Amino acid sequence: GAVVSQHPSRVICKSGTSVKIECRSLDFQATTMFWYRQFPKQSLMLMATSNEGSKATYEQGVEKDKFLINHASLTLSTLTVTSAHPEDSSFYICSAERTGLSSYNEQFFGPGTRLTVL
Amino acid sequence: RKEVEQDPGPFNVPEGATVAFNCTYSNSASQSFFWYRQDCRKEPKLLMSVYSSGNEDGRFTAQLNRASQYISLLIRDSKLSDSATYLCVHNQGGKLIFGQGTELSVKP
Repeated sequence: GAVVSQHPSRVICKSGTSVKIECRSLDFQATTMFWYRQFPKQSLMLMATSNEGSKATYEQGVEKDKFLINHASLTLSTLTVTSAHPEDSSFYICSAERTGLSSYNEQFFGPGTRLTVL
Repeated sequence: RKEVEQDPGPFNVPEGATVAFNCTYSNSASQSFFWYRQDCRKEPKLLMSVYSSGNEDGRFTAQLNRASQYISLLIRDSKLSDSATYLCVHNQGGKLIFGQGTELSVKP
């Protein structure tokens, strides 16, 4: 299967700092990657769709100036949480879409990044 | 109404039991459906796709009823290793929409 990595796996930071999370597709190229957020006991919520070489598409209610997404290559997307606050503490998961022969392009998930803002 | 609604959990069952999860979705235009499994503090992993004709993979059987907008997952002969949260997911225009998940705990 396809492998997607995320770095870091865990980060603890002070309120007001910025945190960058990297998502890499290791053995395939991904034109499209997705960023999700999951709060405890809740489901994954799509934050934004990251498109290589163009601007990300954000879901309703997600601040694009706070969650900066860059997808500069076919194997790397980054999510930067700017001026993080305790309410941004969450489990951030990326996925990379691999195009296939079927009508559905499967998404492969990274292992997630647990962010704690003090 | 949530886009994807699942049975509230947790389900606590003994080893060897058969357990069924149900899920309803609100968008009739949804085309692809899946069950994912998520272990505690881990990323979700694809368990199986769900087809209109129903499909089986070992001890797991998934069914889709488009008329009722209803999806099910049946686990037979449950194992301790089946303990996890099961997520009902549908694909809407390339985006995956996740249900809140149903927690399963299989006890010895």
